[in-house]
Amino acid sequence: GQNIDQPTEMTATEGAIVQINCTYQTSGFNGLFWYQQHAGEAPTFLSYNVLDGLEEKGRFSSFLSRSKGYSYLLLKELQMKDSASYLCAVRDQDDYKLSFGAGTTVTVRA
Amino acid sequence: DAGVTQSPTHLIKTRGQQVTLRCSPKSGHDTVSWYQQALGQGPQFIFQYYEEEERQRGNFPDRFSGHQFPNYSSELNVNALLLGDSALYLCASSLRLGGKETQYFGPGTRLLVL
Repeated sequence: GQNIDQPTEMTATEGAIVQINCTYQTSGFNGLFWYQQHAGEAPTFLSYNVLDGLEEKGRFSSFLSRSKGYSYLLLKELQMKDSASYLCAVRDQDDYKLSFGAGTTVTVRA
Repeated sequence: DAGVTQSPTHLIKTRGQQVTLRCSPKSGHDTVSWYQQALGQGPQFIFQYYEEEERQRGNFPDRFSGHQFPNYSSELNVNALLLGDSALYLCASSLRLGGKETQYFGPGTRLLVL
């Protein structure tokens, strides 16, 4: 199985930048995903990394280092609507399921 | 383009009862996965269906069973409900493309067992 660790909570100010770290341990690796989940709603897909490096998509960027078992999600120019839980998920080699961390609750303050 | 849909949105059952949850995948998707999400936790994988067969199963008892139909829609059945089965049940659909497969989630069914 996988051990996926991410901080429980983070707080930041509107307009600022927040970095959410995720570490994982897996016997094989076939991709890391970030999802955003607002309270009471379903997770929505944000990003996918399978190779090392940075993937940028608007205000959100995701980084992966496979050798370190490490990823981060960077949220820039924070807006109030970014207040949500952010889920890190890993797929093993030859695996179909996603294994999720417990999620990081980000609170954006005015 | 319709996304993933699930029904019902909310459900209240009592211990020992049985429940059936339904999912229609995103248009063009052929694979359906089911997850259970307890409050404050990440989703936990129950099983995945592809070509009407259960392709992979997580650590859930046999009380949890499923089915996929020829039109790719799917059902999740839970028998002999326990209080601990109270959770948000999420369906995710995907299409395998050269190994890059992204799962898209439906709105979920919130199940309360009393």
